[in-house]
Amino acid sequence: DAKTTQPPSMDCAEGRAANLPCNHSTISGNEYVYWYRQIHSQGPQYIIHGLKNNETNEMASLIITEDRKSSTLILPHATLRDTAVYYCIVRVYFGRYQTGANNLFFGTGTRLTVIP
Amino acid sequence: DTAVSQTPKYLVTQMGNDKSIKCEQNLGHDTMYWYKQDSKKFLKIMFSYNNKELIINETVPNRFSPKSPDKAHLNLHINSLELGDSAVYFCASSRVNPYEQYFGPGTRLTVT
Repeated sequence: DAKTTQPPSMDCAEGRAANLPCNHSTISGNEYVYWYRQIHSQGPQYIIHGLKNNETNEMASLIITEDRKSSTLILPHATLRDTAVYYCIVRVYFGRYQTGANNLFFGTGTRLTVIP
Repeated sequence: DTAVSQTPKYLVTQMGNDKSIKCEQNLGHDTMYWYKQDSKKFLKIMFSYNNKELIINETVPNRFSPKSPDKAHLNLHINSLELGDSAVYFCASSRVNPYEQYFGPGTRLTVT
């Protein structure tokens, strides 16, 4: 699996867009980019994932560069409740359960602090 | 209508005891997982399990054993608890896409 690199911490003003970068320069063609976050003392929460097209859902947008070597998670209007550690994970999706291949590996992530 | 629930939320016990943590999901998912988050906040997979197969992370001691009475439950049994087992344990589940996982609230285990 491709390794990912994220800044250890970021601040964002409340109401502004939070842009969280992730580098995955060794990503292969069949690897997806996944984003999770973990709010203090809670379980991780799935946010969004994508392969090569930009994706948007009710929580966030995911922008993947054309060469797929990096991506950015965008929280369009950050609130205090978005303060959390954000994890960028790259995995191959086989489309079905497959032995030994379906584990998420969480790195150290980016600690986002939304400031009032 | 909690999606993934765990009990208990907190568990304090002494070394050498045997304990269990329960996990239930009402999402209709067919794959469930156990993770351990240590004091340094690293989140590590312990087990993944569906009705066909149990996958064990090779670093997990055999004192830990998952047991699934049915598709909606995956309980974690721990024998002969050690100080190093103190951590937060998370249960998760997924359906078709194994990387879109839904996590429970966690169980904080403290071994004294």
